[in-house]
Amino acid sequence: DGGITQSPKYLFRKEGQNVTLSCEQNLNHDAMYWYRQDPGQGLRLIYYSQIVNDFQKGDIAEGYSVSREKKESFPLTVTSAQKNPTAFYLCASRVRSSWDEQFFGPGTRLTVL
Amino acid sequence: AQSVTQPDIHITVSEGASLELRCNYSYGATPYLFWYVQSPGQGLQLLLKYFSGDTLVQGIKGFEAEFKRSQSSFNLRKPSVHWSDAAEYFCAVGARYGGATNKLIFGTGTLLAVQP
Repeated sequence: DGGITQSPKYLFRKEGQNVTLSCEQNLNHDAMYWYRQDPGQGLRLIYYSQIVNDFQKGDIAEGYSVSREKKESFPLTVTSAQKNPTAFYLCASRVRSSWDEQFFGPGTRLTVL
Repeated sequence: AQSVTQPDIHITVSEGASLELRCNYSYGATPYLFWYVQSPGQGLQLLLKYFSGDTLVQGIKGFEAEFKRSQSSFNLRKPSVHWSDAAEYFCAVGARYGGATNKLIFGTGTLLAVQP
């Protein structure tokens, strides 16, 4: 079955550590997205990528980094520069240059201890 | 600037009752509108979408939404709610971003509780 997988489902990190969240899709979608979700704030865009080897900052990119070396993969690194990283992180993908909907993964909950 | 407002943070309905979740948007051009549903700790699932044409859109799980341009609204409705509909619902508008790129702007969500 086609879809988006995110791993791990739960992630704990000590302050000052970088951590990488995985996102893989087998939908053959060109565009991929990372969102952060906090209670009462909806979803906010962190980074997005329209094609391989290209990505752009979203609305809240500070303290995050991404790479897009393969069409299927769009990992997100939460760096120590992110002041408040505890949140639920959602990855999504969509056919490029389309107004069709974004398909979402199941999410990763990151907790900083 | 584009925005989406969901004025109801939390709604409780009885099972079998009708439901309407409100969504208002701000967007200069013809909007592309979406409703997503999220169960606790899960990703988002698309319920329905509006691009053009008939302003009453049918979706999955018995949901429908009506686009009203004059009111800048895209309210979600269901005639009879089931206990399994308890979840958080997000309205979103598709917008141009950084030139040619499309992105979704989400509302803050409405949490639906269903009473037996």
